[in-house]
Amino acid sequence: NAGVTQTPKFQVLKTGQSMTLQCAQDMNHEYMSWYRQDPGMGLRLIHYSVGAGITDQGEVPNGYNVSRSTTEDFPLRLLSAAPSQTSVYFCASSPRPNTEAFFGQGTRLTVV
Amino acid sequence: QKEVEQDPGPLSVPEGAIVSLNCTYSNSAFQYFMWYRQYSRKGPELLMYTYSSGNKEDGRFTAQVDKSSKYISLFIRDSQPSDSATYLCAMSEGAGGTSYGKLTFGQGTILTVHP
Repeated sequence: NAGVTQTPKFQVLKTGQSMTLQCAQDMNHEYMSWYRQDPGMGLRLIHYSVGAGITDQGEVPNGYNVSRSTTEDFPLRLLSAAPSQTSVYFCASSPRPNTEAFFGQGTRLTVV
Repeated sequence: QKEVEQDPGPLSVPEGAIVSLNCTYSNSAFQYFMWYRQYSRKGPELLMYTYSSGNKEDGRFTAQVDKSSKYISLFIRDSQPSDSATYLCAMSEGAGGTSYGKLTFGQGTILTVHP
């Protein structure tokens, strides 16, 4: 099992560009989430999903969109990148809420 | 004020020392308490998981939860250089809470254990 796979691992964007961070899991987990990690801020929840077709906002959703068409995939879209979105992004999945979250290896995004 | 506060350190200790990592929180609805370990340039991995109050031990690691004080701790005995990492506390509400299932993380503590 690959677990949680994130692509790409690194990305540099120019301000105003759009892109999609990919996240896939092969554990048949219902619950998936996206976090961003900034120095001194810990992990902050961007969006999460409790199953295919169901998404909701987390603590810092502005500037990001998500959709969940399948159990396996949970892409994160940046509509118009801003320097404030420079961060490390982690995708996580768990079989249900309040159980162990399995994290991907992260995507390091720089917006210039 | 953040919902979860964690001293970011950094913390540097000699090999064999006992390490104490702590978090305080303000949300009395938190029921699930976790500690994640994150090595440099890797994703976090679950280290300890506790429901409600009490202690839990796993090898050299002990997690304590004091809900009356809204305070959780992670103790590492006989620390090793391989324990050098960032340690993140995380918490979530139980069923019926307004933020059920959402994990709230502390800022993380950077720990270095030197030989």
